[in-house]
Amino acid sequence: QKEVEQNSGPLSVPEGAIASLNCTYSDRGSQSFFWYRQYSGKSPELIMSIYSNGDKEDGRFTAQLNKASQYVSLLIRDSQPSDSATYLCAVNWYSSASKIIFGSGTRLSIRP
Amino acid sequence: EPEVTQTPSHQVTQMGQEVILRCVPISNHLYFYWYRQILGQKVEFLVSFYNNEISEKSEIFDDQFSVERPDGSNFTLKIRSTKLEDSAMYFCASVDQSYNEQFFGPGTRLTVL
Repeated sequence: QKEVEQNSGPLSVPEGAIASLNCTYSDRGSQSFFWYRQYSGKSPELIMSIYSNGDKEDGRFTAQLNKASQYVSLLIRDSQPSDSATYLCAVNWYSSASKIIFGSGTRLSIRP
Repeated sequence: EPEVTQTPSHQVTQMGQEVILRCVPISNHLYFYWYRQILGQKVEFLVSFYNNEISEKSEIFDDQFSVERPDGSNFTLKIRSTKLEDSAMYFCASVDQSYNEQFFGPGTRLTVL
């Protein structure tokens, strides 16, 4: 059974600080890793994808992947109130166009 | 920027009735997916579709479910006889040309009474 695990939170971070979100996955055969943001009642919105070990930066977001530890993380710098949402870690296996398996999400709250 | 669209945004139906949820994937995308999310739970994969046939389906996707691409733009999910436990948000997604990143539509909230 392929599993993606996340701490459900809530994670409370002061505005302007760095938010750190973590995710582990169960199978080493994974191909691609994604972070989606989901506001309440809305659909998942892709914010980062990462495919190889190391860091990938896009604006205020940095995704980190460590395949040996089966660990993916997302850092959000200069956190804004609009970053308050649930962040979903997602992984796909087998092939790049196969289904993706989602974690249950971490609820992030940015306090002013 | 192109986006996946879904209709209706909210569908209310009686148990046992058939529903059809509609999606228009991003043009030039080749793989299409349906996922669902029961309130407060994870997003779950239902089915993937490529080249006019199902490429993968989950245990949830039983004989009550079917998918179709009736024309060059629409992608539909049919539930033949809805149950109370089918109440959920249903999301359509399509994959870009690099076959990696799945983009989700806004979802259809299905309520079965």
